[in-house]
Amino acid sequence: AQSVAQPEDQVNVAEGNPLTVKCTYSVSGNPYLFWYVQYPNRGLQFLLKYITGDNLVKGSYGFEAEFNKSQTSFHLKKPSALVSDSALYFCAVRLTGTASKLTFGTGTRLQVTL
Amino acid sequence: DGGITQSPKYLFRKEGQNVTLSCEQNLNHDAMYWYRQDPGQGLRLIYYSQIVNDFQKGDIAEGYSVSREKKESFPLTVTSAQKNPTAFYLCASSTFPGGQNTGELFFGEGSRLTVL
Repeated sequence: AQSVAQPEDQVNVAEGNPLTVKCTYSVSGNPYLFWYVQYPNRGLQFLLKYITGDNLVKGSYGFEAEFNKSQTSFHLKKPSALVSDSALYFCAVRLTGTASKLTFGTGTRLQVTL
Repeated sequence: DGGITQSPKYLFRKEGQNVTLSCEQNLNHDAMYWYRQDPGQGLRLIYYSQIVNDFQKGDIAEGYSVSREKKESFPLTVTSAQKNPTAFYLCASSTFPGGQNTGELFFGEGSRLTVL
């Protein structure tokens, strides 16, 4: 079985400050990990993914994520938040090399204020 | 442009009526998926299809039906048996996951169904 936990329902950050959205996963093997963003009444947009190799993955809109195998985490980060980053963020995991389904977390709402 | 098209964007239904949500993709993806999104509950998988003329139930298939007659199309029917159909429905597609394919999903813009 595979699962994803996003422990924070909401994260509040002031514009210009760094942001972190947390994600931990559980999978019996090597994971593929993903982050998606959703704006109101829109579909999910792919931000970035971890496959293998470098633990720091860079993605769209200045976001990056750090894979930590020992802590089974894949936290999403951005050095300087923008008001326009305010959205719902989803972490997802899939077991590598299999046709297993993608498992999503419950989402974290990011609120960036001036 | 390549992508996934869902229609209609908004749909209202009376209780007891079946409705069909359309999903078309031109990404040449083998796999297609339907998710339901409710506030605070994340995404829940309704049905998925990894190849034409074949599909599998997801976690919440009761009250829904699908077909996959063409690679490009994966319509979802919300039947009158679905007890609480008001939700935001998302269609997605991907390359067939496995091997070197990471299988990340590409999503449509969603369809919001409201039962009156």
